[in-house]
Amino acid sequence: EPEVTQTPSHQVTQMGQEVILRCVPISNHLYFYWYRQILGQKVEFLVSFYNNEISEKSEIFDDQFSVERPDGSNFTLKIRSTKLEDSAMYFCASSPVNTEAFFGQGTRLTVV
Amino acid sequence: QKEVEQDPGPLSVPEGAIVSLNCTYSNSAFQYFMWYRQYSRKGPELLMYTYSSGNKEDGRFTAQVDKSSKYISLFIRDSQPSDSATYLCAMSGENDKIIFGKGTRLHILP
Repeated sequence: EPEVTQTPSHQVTQMGQEVILRCVPISNHLYFYWYRQILGQKVEFLVSFYNNEISEKSEIFDDQFSVERPDGSNFTLKIRSTKLEDSAMYFCASSPVNTEAFFGQGTRLTVV
Repeated sequence: QKEVEQDPGPLSVPEGAIVSLNCTYSNSAFQYFMWYRQYSRKGPELLMYTYSSGNKEDGRFTAQVDKSSKYISLFIRDSQPSDSATYLCAMSGENDKIIFGKGTRLHILP
């Protein structure tokens, strides 16, 4: 069964460093998303991406964040200068028609 | 008022019981309703997806949507210990982001 894959599963980084989280969405899906879940809290929307551009972003998705689809399969989230409060699980998701979304297993980001 | 309200639980029920999980919402533009299951430190797994009001059944799971009351439910029949997880309701409008509830922690007691 097709699935969304994310790498790495766990990333530890020092405050102020840049991190890139990688995702391979399900083939033939057209809509891509990043969500975040701080430990013990709800899953929060960060950004949606369609047709090679951002279609919507939340207030969390400030200038420190960027997304790219560098080739036909990968979808990345970059955090330019990490802060302690960026520590969370980051989930990539994809959808065929911008309705139900299929999530990856997440990258646990720990900022120290 | 929060956009999506969901009781965080925990909810503990004996094995074999029927489980009822619920969410309320405030945004009348929501049209697509989903239930996800999430195990600890894992990604949300899509269980059920419904469009507009009505019922949908898939095996032991039934999803209900009542748009007039802005209320959705997930029923699990013949609950098993492996059903123990956090259940997230989620919803979206047309061409819109998915908004999640906080999730209900469910424990099925053997």
